[in-house]
Amino acid sequence: GESVGLHLPTLSVQEGDNSIINCAYSNSASDYFIWYKQESGKGPQFIIDIRSNMDKRQGQRVTVLLNKTVKHLSLQIAATQPGDSAVYFCAEPSGGYNKLIFGAGTRLAVHP
Amino acid sequence: GAVVSQHPSRVICKSGTSVKIECRSLDFQATTMFWYRQFPKQSLMLMATSNEGSKATYEQGVEKDKFLINHASLTLSTLTVTSAHPEDSSFYICSARGSGGRTDTQYFGPGTRLTVL
Repeated sequence: GESVGLHLPTLSVQEGDNSIINCAYSNSASDYFIWYKQESGKGPQFIIDIRSNMDKRQGQRVTVLLNKTVKHLSLQIAATQPGDSAVYFCAEPSGGYNKLIFGAGTRLAVHP
Repeated sequence: GAVVSQHPSRVICKSGTSVKIECRSLDFQATTMFWYRQFPKQSLMLMATSNEGSKATYEQGVEKDKFLINHASLTLSTLTVTSAHPEDSSFYICSARGSGGRTDTQYFGPGTRLTVL
């Protein structure tokens, strides 16, 4: 069945380093993916998305890479800052875009 | 733009009482709203999808008589947890999807922390 999962539940990085958060998906027909950031006690915040006709998409300090061959996507955060500390979820629309399926989430902890 | 609000942000109630949570799209019309539940250190789990003017569609395992959803207007959906029990304590998050623009973009509210004593 459909599933979106994450390789690492937690990730600790030093401030200024680059962070890479990974996500695997199982549905080879998936054509759209979204990364969300959720700070403690808050709702998810859209970060960046990517469609399956692209391998890479860049935003401000963030880059999402999509490898359709191995059904894997990653979120790269450049020059990680303390404000980046949060849980990051990959998500995938399902049911004809009628709902989102969320991965398990990765907690990013940024240390000074 | 695309702001979604929830009220209340935090609620504590006694076991057996009912609690209503509101979700509003502030600057756009939401034809579809979604309700999620999130337990500590877990992911978001979709509870139900509501379309304005029609009955909500519940995910498997979610009791529709316990979690009443009303989407009476294009800017408001409510979730009522009836006869709440301690196991219903959770973080409830709504999201809304607009009727125009990107149909695959959901905008999330800030969440409501429910604690049932």
